[in-house]
This record gives sequence, structure tokens and C-alpha cells, in this order.
Amino acid sequence: GESVGLHLPTLSVQEGDNSIINCAYSNSASDYFIWYKQESGKGPQFIIDIRSNMDKRQGQRVTVLLNKTVKHLSLQIAATQPGDSAVYFCAENRNTGNQFYFGTGTSLTVIP
Amino acid sequence: EPEVTQTPSHQVTQMGQEVILRCVPISNHLYFYWYRQILGQKVEFLVSFYNNEISEKSEIFDDQFSVERPDGSNFTLKIRSTKLEDSAMYFCASSGRAGGQETQYFGPGTRLLVL
Repeated sequence: GESVGLHLPTLSVQEGDNSIINCAYSNSASDYFIWYKQESGKGPQFIIDIRSNMDKRQGQRVTVLLNKTVKHLSLQIAATQPGDSAVYFCAENRNTGNQFYFGTGTSLTVIP
Repeated sequence: EPEVTQTPSHQVTQMGQEVILRCVPISNHLYFYWYRQILGQKVEFLVSFYNNEISEKSEIFDDQFSVERPDGSNFTLKIRSTKLEDSAMYFCASSGRAGGQETQYFGPGTRLLVL
């Protein structure tokens, strides 16, 4: 039968390694982006944001890179820990409105 | 740290019944939102609310949906006559300043199951 739902991209990393999660966004008018982390059964949790006038932004153990030319966003997690295991979504905001458009998500599994 | 809270965490209802999902946004926030996530699918925007009125809504937010801020702290989503396809996680979110270019903080969600 026909499958329903999304087949999430998955990423498995060893504990202590760095992780890179990628996101292609759809609209060149988007000018504000957020990475969210969603653990099973919970709501999206803010990790880091970036505005379109920046190429890079760093937080604690996380870095977001924005390439507007190819409409690509990445999230780098340094020294990945088991607690980082979750689904990671990028969300884009277009300055014409309030809503965020979420990507399909990437499931990150950290292997102890 | 302030957070968005939602009640109930789980709601089971019969098709055709009305449900009200409740949210308490972060206290000094001005913009409020509802999103939903059908199992295994993307998070989808439903509606945004500012200054006691809807500021933006998606195609999903049809006449069976309504939102209300009945007092200074609560923000509710009502589904008038639930359908099977309304089964999903419903997330409330809030943001600080007026306008969309602001981080939205999400609640833990209400899992709605329509039988």
C-alpha cells in the first residue's frame, strides 16, 4: 500500500564527534531562520537563529551557517552528546508574515 | 526560565465533538500561535494572534477552528466539530515583540486523538 508520512533523513554519529545537519529552504524571500530540536513527544525547542544579513552565528556547541546563494542552512553540533539525539528542524520566516515554515527534519542518533 | 504551557497533554474525543485546547504563553509575549503536527509529518502553521485578533491564518484554519484569549493569560484553540483527520499534536507558541521576525517559543503540545 501507499506509505504515508515523511521518511526523515537520518544521521548517526559517535559520541564526541561533530555533527552537521543540512537544510535546503524554499523561498528566496525568507530572511529569518531558526533551528529547532524536537525530542520524542515534546514540542520544538529553540536552538539558534540567524538573520539573512549574516552568514554564520555561533552558540554554545552549535554553529549555524547560511548560504543565501544556494538557499542552504546548516547546523553544526560540536562534541555531540547522547542528549543531542532528536529530530532537528530548520524553520524559515518570510518577512511578509508571522508564520514559520518548517522543513522535514533530520533524525540525529548519537551512539555512545 | 519562562516557558509556554499547554493543557491537556492528551485529549481523546469522538468525531463531531468540540474540543478546546488551552495554552498559557510566556507572560510578556505579545504574539501567539497555533501549529499542528500530524504523526510523522511536518509542523504546520495554523494561526497567529496579536492584539486580540487573528493576524494570519493558513488554509488549514477553516471555519471549524477558532481562537480566543479569554483572559490575560490563556490562549485557546477550539475545534467545533472534530474530524478523524484532526488527530495530531497541537503546539502553541508565543513570541516577544510585535512582528514575525522574532523567535517563537513552543509549548510541549497537546496530542489530540479523534475516534
